[in-house]
Amino acid sequence: NAGVIQTPRHKVTGKGQEATLWCEPISGHSAVFWYRQTIVQGLEFLTYFRNQAPIDDSGMPKERFSAQMPNQSHSTLKIQSTQPQDSAVYLCASSLTGGNYEQYFGPGTRLTVL
Amino acid sequence: QQKVQQSPESLTVSEGAMASLNCTFSDGTSNNFRWYRQHSAKGLEVLVSIFSDGEKEEGRFTAHLNRANLHVSLHIREPQPSDSAVYLCAVRTDTNAYKVIFGKGTHLHVLP
Repeated sequence: NAGVIQTPRHKVTGKGQEATLWCEPISGHSAVFWYRQTIVQGLEFLTYFRNQAPIDDSGMPKERFSAQMPNQSHSTLKIQSTQPQDSAVYLCASSLTGGNYEQYFGPGTRLTVL
Repeated sequence: QQKVQQSPESLTVSEGAMASLNCTFSDGTSNNFRWYRQHSAKGLEVLVSIFSDGEKEEGRFTAHLNRANLHVSLHIREPQPSDSAVYLCAVRTDTNAYKVIFGKGTHLHVLP
């Protein structure tokens, strides 16, 4: 079991460019979560999918951020018109199902916006 | 809105000395607590989970939970330099149990 896979591990974009981050959950897990980690705010919940359906996106910024889960094997987080304040580590996690099951985290994607 | 605060922000201990980390939370109905370790540029590794008041030991890591005091702690016995990392406290409640609220972490430095 390779664990949760995130690609790329590092991404550098210029201000105004688009960034797409990929996550492959553990096989058999039906719940996928996205988090953002910064020095100032710590680790914050962004959004949650179960069985590919969006369940809770209450942590997503209202503009420029979107997440999809087109199939059970991957999810994407897209940031349009990136800004320097979007620089962070974006972590993806998966769990067997929702609820209070253990969440297994990927290594994260470090996004740097110049 | 659940608030989770960790102290200290940074802790330096010598190899072999006990390391103690603290976490306070604001929602007294919280019932699911985990401590994670995060090495630089790596994912989160769960160290110990605790769901009821008292103590839970996993190897060199022991968590103590006191829900009346809204406090959960982590004690690391005989820390090694390889234990140098960021330690995160994570709290959940029954309401929206999937939503994990994290503290900002304690940076632990273990000196050889």
